[in-house]
Amino acid sequence: AQSVAQPEDQVNVAEGNPLTVKCTYSVSGNPYLFWYVQYPNRGLQFLLKYITGDNLVKGSYGFEAEFNKSQTSFHLKKPSALVSDSALYFCAVRALNSGNTPLVFGKGTRLSVIA
Amino acid sequence: DGGITQSPKYLFRKEGQNVTLSCEQNLNHDAMYWYRQDPGQGLRLIYYSQIVNDFQKGDIAEGYSVSREKKESFPLTVTSAQKNPTAFYLCASTPLTGPGDYGYSFGSGTRLTVV
Repeated sequence: AQSVAQPEDQVNVAEGNPLTVKCTYSVSGNPYLFWYVQYPNRGLQFLLKYITGDNLVKGSYGFEAEFNKSQTSFHLKKPSALVSDSALYFCAVRALNSGNTPLVFGKGTRLSVIA
Repeated sequence: DGGITQSPKYLFRKEGQNVTLSCEQNLNHDAMYWYRQDPGQGLRLIYYSQIVNDFQKGDIAEGYSVSREKKESFPLTVTSAQKNPTAFYLCASTPLTGPGDYGYSFGSGTRLTVV
């Protein structure tokens, strides 16, 4: 079975400081990993994905994520946070070669960037 | 202008009433999904469909029904058997070409409230 854990319900960071939103996963075999962002009363927007290749993935709006196979983690990072980054962030996973099974999402982490 | 359209944006349901949420996409995507979002619970899969006239139950299908008569459309009916339907409902789609390394495109959601 596939699962995703986002251990922090809320992350607070000061504007200009680096931010990290944590994600760990569990799948059989190799994973496809995704990060999405959601603004209030909106759908989810794609930020970045890891399929294969470099462990550091760069995405939209200056975000990046680091895939760590040994720790089964895919933490989202940004060097300098903006107030406009305040939103709800979701990590998602599915297993490679799992026959197009649906993505499994974490419970989300609310990021609050304080000016 | 390609995308996924969910309607209505807000929907109110009386006790014992069935309501149908619309989801239409013009992205020529093969697969479509319905998720339910509740505070602190993330996204939970209700139903999904990978081809026309076929669909599968997700983790929380009880009290819901779907149809997939056209590739572009995947309506969700919330029946009176769903005892706690108040939630934010998200529709998503994805192509199924290749090894499944595509993320999802999401609609902007429907907020359903029982009155």
